[in-house]
Amino acid sequence: EIVLTQSPGTLSLSPGERATLSCRASQSVTSNYLGWYQQKPGQAPSLLIYGASSRATGIPDRFSGSGSGTDFTLTISRLEPEDFAVYYCHQYADSPSTFGPGTKVDIK
Amino acid sequence: QVQLQESGPGLLKPSETLSLTCTVSGYSLTSGYYWVWIRQPPGKGLEWIGAIFHSGNTYYHPSLKSRVTISVDTSKNQFSLKLTSVTAADTAIYYCVRDHVLDYWGQGTLVTVSS
Repeated sequence: EIVLTQSPGTLSLSPGERATLSCRASQSVTSNYLGWYQQKPGQAPSLLIYGASSRATGIPDRFSGSGSGTDFTLTISRLEPEDFAVYYCHQYADSPSTFGPGTKVDIK
Repeated sequence: QVQLQESGPGLLKPSETLSLTCTVSGYSLTSGYYWVWIRQPPGKGLEWIGAIFHSGNTYYHPSLKSRVTISVDTSKNQFSLKLTSVTAADTAIYYCVRDHVLDYWGQGTLVTVSS
């Protein structure tokens, strides 16, 4: 089973700042089958990025994903008020599919 | 517009069987994709339970494999989850989701296991 580790656990930033979230895998994620999801309180998660770097439909370009192998990054170039949420990475290269523990981005 | 909606009992007693159904609209299950169940204990992270392909091939999390069955009813455009012998540790919000990339999610349904 591929174990995903996310850092930091919490990121305290102000609107307009840049957010950099890290996801590290215990083994290589084949074909970069790595996704990023945003979850707001009381809501289901929603897909932001798939294939490590492809934005899902309707996702603004301030969200970008990068990385390969075992190290992946989600960057939010300029935080908007609606971006404060929990972010999860997820690998779907290997069964069982697994999630990271999440990074909470909160308002400083 | 693809939509998924979970349904099923919200309260179970220990040792009972959890049964949930996901009704899919806006997309035919027979057209492809994997169909996935994920759960999230209150205040905690996400756990992949398993998936079914439209043809019926299934994949389960090893830790749940002995208790889980996922099935599909193409005539109703639904897929279902059964989890036997539930305990308090199975208390969670259960989501049905489309495909490995998890592009469309149901709103989730809270299932509580309590005596």
